Formats: sequence, structure tokens, C-alpha cells
Amino acid sequence: GESVGLHLPTLSVQEGDNSIINCAYSNSASDYFIWYKQESGKGPQFIIDIRSNMDKRQGQRVTVLLNKTVKHLSLQIAATQPGDSAVYFCAESWGNTPLVFGKGTRLSVIA
Amino acid sequence: DAGVIQSPRHEVTEMGQEVTLRCKPISGHNSLFWYRQTMMRGLELLIYFNNNVPIDDSGMPEDRFSAKMPNASFSTLKIQPSEPRDSAVYFCASSTGGSTEAFFGQGTRLTVV
Repeated sequence: GESVGLHLPTLSVQEGDNSIINCAYSNSASDYFIWYKQESGKGPQFIIDIRSNMDKRQGQRVTVLLNKTVKHLSLQIAATQPGDSAVYFCAESWGNTPLVFGKGTRLSVIA
Repeated sequence: DAGVIQSPRHEVTEMGQEVTLRCKPISGHNSLFWYRQTMMRGLELLIYFNNNVPIDDSGMPEDRFSAKMPNASFSTLKIQPSEPRDSAVYFCASSTGGSTEAFFGQGTRLTVV
């Protein structure tokens, strides 16, 4: 029979606009959060991380926001470019446990 | 550093055959992880090692799967016998341990026919 694939949420953004990708994490004890970018045929690549003692962290063109009250994480990409098109994953960790990944969001940049 | 190196990049095998996936972590990293990625289940942790010792293999699907890390620079994931439902992309990742960034290899795309 036909298998049902994982339906990834998709965000379509016009080139040059800002993108916001959201993630709800599961464990209130998580103290480390990370965003990865995965392009087709490649492994996940680190974008930015944040620890639970912070609520915001900025990188080059990217900002991660953490709201521990509602267990929500977001990734903001400024001036989105075609090269930003990929699947984005959030991941969480607590103590020394390995990263647990969310299901991912596909970002599609319209040129 | 060349990053995490996995081999082969692609593997096509017949059902029932043994498959061995290989990983060379980044030098100096003491944690190594094997993940599996499928459309149905996303990225799942199969097993991880700290200082070459398996810490948690609860993600290994069944006894057909086994993993070893004989030294700090090499790990294998073996499937015997392989089944079509094992078809997936298998990633190896390494880190300095604890709550830190994990560096991923390019993955091995396994197809079992």
C-alpha cells in the first residue's frame, strides 16, 4: 500500500523579506536548544544555539528567541536569500543527553 | 579538519544481506551519535557513545541492528539481515559531549530492495 510521508510545514518567503520559523519543544527540563539547516542531500548544519539562561541570541542574519514559559523557540532570518531554502530543525537537550530533534520546517524562498 | 566522514554515501542491497555503515568522527570529539532519518519518523537517535562506550541504545529498532566503536576514530553500524523497511538515510554525528553542538556527516543513503 502507499505509505504516508511526514508532512513538513512549509514557509514560503519572498527574497529579501524576513523569515520566522517556529518550534514548540517538549521538555520543560531542556536547557540547551539548537537550530540546524539541512539542504537536500546533505547532513544537518549548525546555525545557532541558545542556553536556557538566555532568551535571545543573535548571529549573522539570524536570531534565536527562547520563551521558556510556553516552551517555544523561534528562528528569525533577516533578508532571506535563495540560499536559505532548506529544511530547518530545532533540537533540544537536557543535562548531558543527546539532541532530540523536532520534525522540521521547509523554507522556500521565492526569487 | 575534514569533519565527520561517513562511508559509503550510497548503498543498495538486497533484503537479507548484511550492511555495514562506517563513521570517522572529528578528532578530539568524545561523543558519537548514530541517527536515522526517514520521511515517516524524521531524525531519530539510534545509539550514542561517550569515550567509545555505548551509553544508550534504546533507539536501536531491534536485534538486527548493532553498533560498535572499537576506538576513538571509528564506529560502525551494522544491519543483519537487512529489510526493505530499513531504507533510510543514516547519519553519524560527533560532539565534545554534554549539551553542545553535534557535527553531522553527509549521511549514508541505504536502499534495501
